[in-house]
Amino acid sequence: GQNIDQPTEMTATEGAIVQINCTYQTSGFNGLFWYQQHAGEAPTFLSYNVLDGLEEKGRFSSFLSRSKGYSYLLLKELQMKDSASYLCAVRADTGRRALTFGSGTRLQVQP
Amino acid sequence: EAGVAQSPRYKIIEKRQSVAFWCNPISGHATLYWYQQILGQGPKLLIQFQNNGVVDDSQLPKDRFSAERLKGVDSTLKIQPAKLEDSAVYLCASSSLRADEQFFGPGTRLTVL
Repeated sequence: GQNIDQPTEMTATEGAIVQINCTYQTSGFNGLFWYQQHAGEAPTFLSYNVLDGLEEKGRFSSFLSRSKGYSYLLLKELQMKDSASYLCAVRADTGRRALTFGSGTRLQVQP
Repeated sequence: EAGVAQSPRYKIIEKRQSVAFWCNPISGHATLYWYQQILGQGPKLLIQFQNNGVVDDSQLPKDRFSAERLKGVDSTLKIQPAKLEDSAVYLCASSSLRADEQFFGPGTRLTVL
């Protein structure tokens, strides 16, 4: 089976750094994805990790530890527009390619 | 390039009625997915197509849901008859065979009364 856990809500201050954690237990593993979803909109791709380590892309970074079943998304220099839900998703099988999503972390950025 | 298109954007029906959603993926994307997203949850895969063949429909409630992708491009998802618990956003996504990223459409918000 698949189980993906992430905090339900987080609050942070504009200009600060926030780390959103994700733990997973899946029957297979072939990549971990982070998506951003603004209220009422479609998810948009942020990052992809398949090997252990840190992937940096501008203000956003994502880390993966496969042995621990753990990932985090790091957002730096927070802006008000970063207020959104952040979805952690695992691809268990290269053949299927479909993603299993966590319930998402709703981030509120305050002035 | 044009993104994933979906219609309608919103639909309100009464329980036991039928409804159909349409999706046009990004041109050239062989893989198409339908996800159901209930409020406050992450998207859940309903069905995955590669070209016009079904790769995975293990989570599709086949007694009431059906989907097709006859020519390997557009796809339709149908619910017949609808239940109250089907109220959700139905997201269509597509990806190419070489890339890892899935591109999502704007979704159809279904309300079943």
